[in-house]
Amino acid sequence: EPEVTQTPSHQVTQMGQEVILRCVPISNHLYFYWYRQILGQKVEFLVSFYNNEISEKSEIFDDQFSVERPDGSNFTLKIRSTKLEDSAMYFCASSDRGPQRSPLHFGNGTRLTVT
Amino acid sequence: SQQGEEDPQALSIQEGENATMNCSYKTSINNLQWYRQNSGRGLVHLILIRSNEREKHSGRLRVTLDTSKKSSSLLITASRAADTASYFCATDGVFQGAQKLVFGQGTRLTINP
Repeated sequence: EPEVTQTPSHQVTQMGQEVILRCVPISNHLYFYWYRQILGQKVEFLVSFYNNEISEKSEIFDDQFSVERPDGSNFTLKIRSTKLEDSAMYFCASSDRGPQRSPLHFGNGTRLTVT
Repeated sequence: SQQGEEDPQALSIQEGENATMNCSYKTSINNLQWYRQNSGRGLVHLILIRSNEREKHSGRLRVTLDTSKKSSSLLITASRAADTASYFCATDGVFQGAQKLVFGQGTRLTINP
Protein backbone atom coordinates (compact mmCIF):
# COMPACT_ATOMS: atom_id res chain seq x y z
CA GLU A 1 0.00 0.00 0.00
CA PRO A 2 1.42 3.43 -0.90
CA GLU A 3 2.53 5.51 2.03
CA VAL A 4 3.71 8.98 2.95
CA THR A 5 7.40 9.05 3.84
CA GLN A 6 9.14 11.69 5.93
CA THR A 7 12.81 12.41 6.44
CA PRO A 8 14.66 12.71 8.69
CA SER A 9 12.93 10.79 11.47
CA HIS A 10 14.72 12.91 14.05
CA GLN A 11 16.35 16.32 13.68
CA VAL A 12 18.26 18.16 16.36
CA THR A 13 19.07 21.80 15.75
CA GLN A 14 20.19 24.84 17.67
CA MET A 15 17.90 27.76 18.32
CA GLY A 16 18.02 30.26 15.47
CA GLN A 17 19.03 27.72 12.85
CA GLU A 18 17.01 26.92 9.75
CA VAL A 19 15.57 23.45 9.27
CA ILE A 20 13.90 21.78 6.32
CA LEU A 21 11.63 18.84 6.90
CA ARG A 22 10.99 16.66 3.90
CA CYS A 23 8.01 14.61 2.82
CA VAL A 24 7.14 12.45 -0.13
CA PRO A 25 3.33 12.29 -0.38
CA ILE A 26 1.43 9.48 -2.06
CA SER A 27 2.05 9.90 -5.77
CA ASN A 28 -1.47 10.50 -7.09
CA HIS A 29 -2.55 12.75 -4.21
CA LEU A 30 -3.26 16.41 -4.84
CA TYR A 31 -3.70 17.86 -1.35
CA PHE A 32 -0.84 18.18 1.11
CA TYR A 33 -0.70 19.15 4.77
CA TRP A 34 1.63 19.74 7.66
CA TYR A 35 0.59 19.17 11.25
CA ARG A 36 2.57 19.22 14.44
CA GLN A 37 2.18 17.55 17.81
CA ILE A 38 3.96 18.74 20.91
CA LEU A 39 4.78 15.72 23.05
CA GLY A 40 1.63 14.11 24.40
CA GLN A 41 -0.59 16.93 23.25
CA LYS A 42 -3.08 17.55 20.49
CA VAL A 43 -2.37 17.38 16.79
CA GLU A 44 -2.30 20.96 15.49
CA PHE A 45 -2.94 22.04 11.91
CA LEU A 46 -0.21 24.15 10.32
CA VAL A 47 -0.91 24.46 6.61
CA SER A 48 -2.65 22.90 3.63
CA PHE A 49 -1.38 23.08 0.06
CA TYR A 50 -3.16 22.50 -3.22
CA ASN A 51 -2.46 23.38 -6.83
CA ASN A 52 0.98 24.73 -5.92
CA GLU A 53 -0.21 27.22 -3.40
CA ILE A 54 -1.19 27.46 0.24
CA SER A 55 -4.93 26.95 0.57
CA GLU A 56 -5.17 27.47 4.32
CA LYS A 57 -2.84 28.14 7.23
CA SER A 58 -3.14 28.45 10.97
CA GLU A 59 -1.97 31.17 13.33
CA ILE A 60 1.02 29.00 14.17
CA PHE A 61 2.19 29.20 10.55
CA ASP A 62 3.78 32.63 10.76
CA ASP A 63 6.49 34.25 8.63
CA GLN A 64 9.09 31.84 10.03
CA PHE A 65 7.40 28.95 8.24
CA SER A 66 7.21 28.20 4.54
CA VAL A 67 6.25 25.26 2.37
CA GLU A 68 7.35 24.25 -1.06
CA ARG A 69 6.75 21.55 -3.60
CA PRO A 70 10.03 21.86 -5.49
CA ASP A 71 9.39 18.97 -7.87
CA GLY A 72 6.67 16.46 -8.61
CA SER A 73 7.32 14.32 -5.56
CA ASN A 74 8.65 16.27 -2.57
CA PHE A 75 6.81 18.55 -0.19
CA THR A 76 8.92 20.49 2.30
CA LEU A 77 8.40 22.53 5.44
CA LYS A 78 11.03 25.13 6.24
CA ILE A 79 11.42 26.86 9.58
CA ARG A 80 13.69 29.85 9.05
CA SER A 81 14.88 30.57 12.56
CA THR A 82 13.92 27.87 15.01
CA LYS A 83 12.75 28.58 18.56
CA LEU A 84 12.70 26.27 21.55
CA GLU A 85 8.91 26.09 21.31
CA ASP A 86 9.17 24.66 17.79
CA SER A 87 10.27 21.37 19.34
CA ALA A 88 7.56 18.89 18.35
CA MET A 89 6.68 16.00 16.06
CA TYR A 90 5.91 17.30 12.59
CA PHE A 91 3.60 15.21 10.46
CA CYS A 92 3.09 15.46 6.75
CA ALA A 93 -0.15 14.19 5.23
CA SER A 94 -1.71 13.91 1.81
CA SER A 95 -5.13 13.16 0.35
CA ASP A 96 -6.49 12.56 -3.12
CA ARG A 97 -9.42 14.90 -2.58
CA GLY A 98 -10.04 17.64 -0.06
CA PRO A 99 -10.66 16.84 3.62
CA GLN A 100 -14.39 17.25 3.09
CA ARG A 101 -14.43 14.09 1.03
CA SER A 102 -11.43 11.90 1.77
CA PRO A 103 -9.20 10.75 4.62
CA LEU A 104 -5.70 12.02 5.20
CA HIS A 105 -2.73 9.69 4.95
CA PHE A 106 0.00 10.56 7.43
CA GLY A 107 3.71 9.91 7.49
CA ASN A 108 5.43 8.72 10.66
CA GLY A 109 6.69 12.18 11.44
CA THR A 110 9.91 14.03 12.07
CA ARG A 111 10.80 14.66 15.69
CA LEU A 112 12.34 18.13 15.81
CA THR A 113 14.36 19.02 18.90
CA VAL A 114 15.51 22.62 19.24
CA THR A 115 18.23 23.17 21.83
CA SER B 1 -13.30 27.11 16.62
CA GLN B 2 -14.44 23.79 15.15
CA GLN B 3 -12.13 21.80 17.37
CA GLY B 4 -13.38 18.45 18.60
CA GLU B 5 -13.01 17.29 22.15
CA GLU B 6 -12.72 13.65 23.09
CA ASP B 7 -14.03 12.15 26.25
CA PRO B 8 -12.63 10.48 28.27
CA GLN B 9 -9.03 11.67 28.03
CA ALA B 10 -7.84 8.23 29.12
CA LEU B 11 -9.53 4.84 29.26
CA SER B 12 -8.17 1.58 30.62
CA ILE B 13 -10.10 -1.69 30.16
CA GLN B 14 -9.53 -5.43 30.14
CA GLU B 15 -8.94 -7.32 26.94
CA GLY B 16 -12.20 -8.55 25.48
CA GLU B 17 -14.25 -5.65 26.84
CA ASN B 18 -15.78 -2.96 24.66
CA ALA B 19 -14.30 0.54 24.56
CA THR B 20 -16.39 3.63 23.89
CA MET B 21 -14.91 7.03 23.15
CA ASN B 22 -16.88 10.20 22.57
CA CYS B 23 -16.21 13.33 20.56
CA SER B 24 -17.97 16.68 20.57
CA TYR B 25 -17.45 19.48 18.09
CA LYS B 26 -18.67 23.03 17.62
CA THR B 27 -19.37 23.90 13.99
CA SER B 28 -21.33 22.32 11.15
CA ILE B 29 -19.40 19.65 9.30
CA ASN B 30 -19.32 17.73 6.04
CA ASN B 31 -17.78 14.72 7.70
CA LEU B 32 -16.18 13.48 10.88
CA GLN B 33 -13.21 11.14 10.86
CA TRP B 34 -11.58 8.93 13.49
CA TYR B 35 -7.85 8.22 13.57
CA ARG B 36 -5.59 6.03 15.67
CA GLN B 37 -2.07 6.88 16.73
CA ASN B 38 0.32 4.34 18.16
CA SER B 39 3.00 5.81 20.39
CA GLY B 40 5.59 7.75 18.39
CA ARG B 41 3.92 7.04 15.06
CA GLY B 42 1.75 8.84 12.55
CA LEU B 43 -2.03 8.89 12.57
CA VAL B 44 -3.87 6.13 10.80
CA HIS B 45 -7.32 6.72 9.38
CA LEU B 46 -9.99 4.41 10.77
CA ILE B 47 -13.35 5.56 9.51
CA LEU B 48 -15.09 8.53 7.90
CA ILE B 49 -18.76 9.27 8.54
CA ARG B 50 -20.61 11.89 6.53
CA SER B 51 -22.96 14.41 8.04
CA ASN B 52 -25.99 12.69 6.50
CA GLU B 53 -25.04 9.32 8.02
CA ARG B 54 -25.95 8.25 11.53
CA GLU B 55 -23.96 5.06 11.96
CA LYS B 56 -21.13 3.29 10.23
CA HIS B 57 -19.35 -0.02 10.84
CA SER B 58 -15.91 -1.28 9.93
CA GLY B 59 -14.89 -4.63 11.38
CA ARG B 60 -14.91 -4.26 15.18
CA LEU B 61 -15.43 -0.49 14.91
CA ARG B 62 -18.78 1.22 15.13
CA VAL B 63 -19.12 4.97 14.77
CA THR B 64 -22.23 7.01 15.41
CA LEU B 65 -22.88 10.63 14.55
CA ASP B 66 -25.51 12.93 16.01
CA THR B 67 -25.35 16.24 14.18
CA SER B 68 -28.11 17.76 16.33
CA LYS B 69 -25.91 17.27 19.40
CA LYS B 70 -22.68 17.80 17.47
CA SER B 71 -21.27 14.59 18.85
CA SER B 72 -19.87 11.25 17.72
CA SER B 73 -18.87 8.04 19.39
CA LEU B 74 -16.39 5.32 18.50
CA LEU B 75 -17.04 1.84 19.83
CA ILE B 76 -14.38 -0.84 19.65
CA THR B 77 -15.84 -4.24 20.40
CA ALA B 78 -13.97 -7.25 21.80
CA SER B 79 -10.86 -5.17 22.46
CA ARG B 80 -7.37 -6.59 21.97
CA ALA B 81 -4.00 -5.58 23.38
CA ALA B 82 -3.08 -4.29 19.90
CA ASP B 83 -5.88 -1.71 20.17
CA THR B 84 -3.81 0.16 22.76
CA ALA B 85 -3.28 3.59 21.18
CA SER B 86 -4.56 7.15 21.20
CA TYR B 87 -7.76 7.80 19.27
CA PHE B 88 -8.62 11.15 17.74
CA CYS B 89 -11.70 12.54 16.10
CA ALA B 90 -11.27 15.14 13.38
CA THR B 91 -13.72 17.45 11.68
CA ASP B 92 -13.72 19.53 8.55
CA GLY B 93 -15.85 22.64 8.37
CA VAL B 94 -18.80 23.63 6.24
CA PHE B 95 -17.43 26.94 5.13
CA GLN B 96 -15.87 28.07 1.92
CA GLY B 97 -12.23 27.32 1.54
CA ALA B 98 -12.11 24.79 4.33
CA GLN B 99 -9.00 22.79 3.52
CA LYS B 100 -8.11 21.31 6.84
CA LEU B 101 -9.09 18.73 9.41
CA VAL B 102 -9.11 19.87 13.00
CA PHE B 103 -8.23 17.21 15.57
CA GLY B 104 -9.42 16.84 19.12
CA GLN B 105 -7.27 16.18 22.15
CA GLY B 106 -7.54 12.43 21.81
CA THR B 107 -8.42 9.53 24.09
CA ARG B 108 -5.55 7.39 25.31
CA LEU B 109 -6.85 3.80 25.34
CA THR B 110 -5.02 1.07 27.25
CA ILE B 111 -6.08 -2.55 26.87
CA ASN B 112 -4.87 -4.70 29.76
CA PRO B 113 -4.20 -8.37 28.96
